[in-house]
Amino acid sequence: DAGVTQSPTHLIKTRGQQVTLRCSPISGHKSVSWYQQVLGQGPQFIFQYYEKEERGRGNFPDRFSARQFPNYSSELNVNALLLGDSALYLCASSQTGRLPGANVLTFGAGSRLTVL
Amino acid sequence: AQTVTQSQPEMSVQEAETVTLSCTYDTSESDYYLFWYKQPPSRQMILVIRQEAYKQQNATENRFSVNFQKAAKSFSLKISDSQLGDAAMYFCAYRSGNNAGNMLTFGGGTRLMVKP
Repeated sequence: DAGVTQSPTHLIKTRGQQVTLRCSPISGHKSVSWYQQVLGQGPQFIFQYYEKEERGRGNFPDRFSARQFPNYSSELNVNALLLGDSALYLCASSQTGRLPGANVLTFGAGSRLTVL
Repeated sequence: AQTVTQSQPEMSVQEAETVTLSCTYDTSESDYYLFWYKQPPSRQMILVIRQEAYKQQNATENRFSVNFQKAAKSFSLKISDSQLGDAAMYFCAYRSGNNAGNMLTFGGGTRLMVKP
């Protein structure tokens, strides 16, 4: 079974540009979450999507947006990039419900974004 | 808002010895989950162990165990028989149990070095 896959693994952008990051969840997982991890810090929650609807949003500006597709994959978009957006962007998927193991996040290896 | 604090930026342990990583958290909720994640240089966050707040028994996974002190809001990770492969960043994380989604609040991390 493939784990959570993210693309691209690395990318470099310049200030003001836009970026799209992609995530494919584990098969059977319907929930996808996005986290930003600045170097030397713990990850910070950006979004959660479940059944194509936004179910949670962290304290990030409107320049950050996301969506989930019918196959449960997801995209994270960041507009008008700033130097401070340089970070590792992590995607995580999970099952949902009350069963043991539900809502436990499995993370991908991340997309490393550098903004120059 | 919940906060998670890891007061040890770095820890070092001799191979085969035991080390304990500290984590404290602040919450007004009674129902929640606590996690320890490991992040090796490959960047992928790997779940080490989890604890449900309603369970008094401390969770154990092979060489990894926790000391969960609910009243003190403390959640430390003990690694026994440390191995070179245990070297990584370790993050403590909190999730609300009120079905508010999959938002994890992470601590700032502890870098664990294992000496041969």
